[in-house]
Amino acid sequence: EIVLTQSPGTLSLSPGERAALSCRASQSVRSNYLAWYQQKPGQAPRLLIYDASSRATGIPDRFSGSGSGTDFTLTISRLEPEDFAVYYCQQYGSSPKTFGQGTKVDIK
Amino acid sequence: QVQLQESGPGLVKPSETLSLTCTASDGSISSDTYYWSWIRQPAGKGLEWIGRVYTTGSTNYNPSLKSRVTMSLDTSKNQLSLKLTSVTAADTAVYYCARGEKYWHDSTGSYSEHWFDPWGQGTLVTVSS
Repeated sequence: EIVLTQSPGTLSLSPGERAALSCRASQSVRSNYLAWYQQKPGQAPRLLIYDASSRATGIPDRFSGSGSGTDFTLTISRLEPEDFAVYYCQQYGSSPKTFGQGTKVDIK
Repeated sequence: QVQLQESGPGLVKPSETLSLTCTASDGSISSDTYYWSWIRQPAGKGLEWIGRVYTTGSTNYNPSLKSRVTMSLDTSKNQLSLKLTSVTAADTAVYYCARGEKYWHDSTGSYSEHWFDPWGQGTLVTVSS
């Protein structure tokens, strides 16, 4: 099973600042099959990024994904008030599919 | 965009069977383009993939739950179901259904399964006597 470790656990930033969230895999993710999701309280996760760097439909271009192999990053270029949430990475390159433990982005 | 809606009892007694249904708003349950999964999230914790099912009935479960899980599709009702037996308090969670796309690869003779989109809104199941 691939273990995904996200860091930091919490990121305290102000609106307008840049956020960089890390996701490290215990082994290489096949074909960079890695997704990022955003989850707000009481809501289901929402797909942001798939295949490590492709934005999902309707996702603003301030969200970008990068990385390959075992190291992946989600970057939010300028935080908007609605971006404060928990972010999860997920690998779908091998079974079982696994998620990181999440990074909370909160308002400083 | 298809909408998914989970339903089922919100309270299950320890040692009993948890049964949930997910209804899709369109007929994509019958499409061979997709696979269907259940994912759960204990309060304040992360996400755990439970398993997936194809329209053919083929299943693949998380080894951590494999001995207790059954998933199936009812294409006539556009529904996905989950059964989890012998539940304990550790099974208390919000349960989500989600759809993913799958692609056939001639080179490997197998499918690749991709990201989850969309997700249902989730349903809270509490295991308690």
